[in-house]
Amino acid sequence: DTGVSQNPRHKITKRGQNVTFRCDPISEHNRLYWYRQTLGQGPEFLTYFQNEAQLEKSRLLSDRFSAERPKGSFSTLEIQRTEQGDSAMYLCASSQKGTGYSPLHFGNGTRLTVT
Amino acid sequence: TQLLEQSPQFLSIQEGENLTVYCNSSSVFSSLQWYRQEPGEGPVLLVTVVTGGEVKKLKRLTFQFGDARKDSSLHITAAQPGDTGLYLCAGAPSFGNEKLTFGTGTRLTIIP
Repeated sequence: DTGVSQNPRHKITKRGQNVTFRCDPISEHNRLYWYRQTLGQGPEFLTYFQNEAQLEKSRLLSDRFSAERPKGSFSTLEIQRTEQGDSAMYLCASSQKGTGYSPLHFGNGTRLTVT
Repeated sequence: TQLLEQSPQFLSIQEGENLTVYCNSSSVFSSLQWYRQEPGEGPVLLVTVVTGGEVKKLKRLTFQFGDARKDSSLHITAAQPGDTGLYLCAGAPSFGNEKLTFGTGTRLTIIP
């Protein structure tokens, strides 16, 4: 178990540019989540996948945001035409859906700064 | 929309003191989790409580789920500098649904 891995750890971009983040979940986990956390706040749910299917998207996820998990393993989150309000920590988490409660295992996040 | 409010938002106490952090909502949750987050890292799960009135202990940390499953508390006995961090509660809306609603967080600082 190598844990959830996110890349890059930090990303600085200029307003209007596109950015893409990657998340590698724990290998046997079939659920993958994206959350966004701004300074001083708790994480906010963005979207989640079960295997390759995107099952739910938050209203926070505007049409500039898109997430994929093409083979049910790693996932990418793309933000197009970034705005300063997109600056935040983007957290990925994974879990294994089973018959009981499945704790989320979080990565260390990608911190995005839009200048 | 389910909301979780934590209090206090900030807490700074001396090593050795006891403290309690609260997590409150008007909504019922299937389960409630507590996480601790260090700067620059993701949240790490401490405990999950699932039954109304449930009490779980993790060394010096005691977690309680309210009878109505709308609130929870975290009590730390004899706080140590290593307890410093951001404590987050998170509620699951239904069994098997890990789309968590996180609380606003309590930033705890233990002064040696």
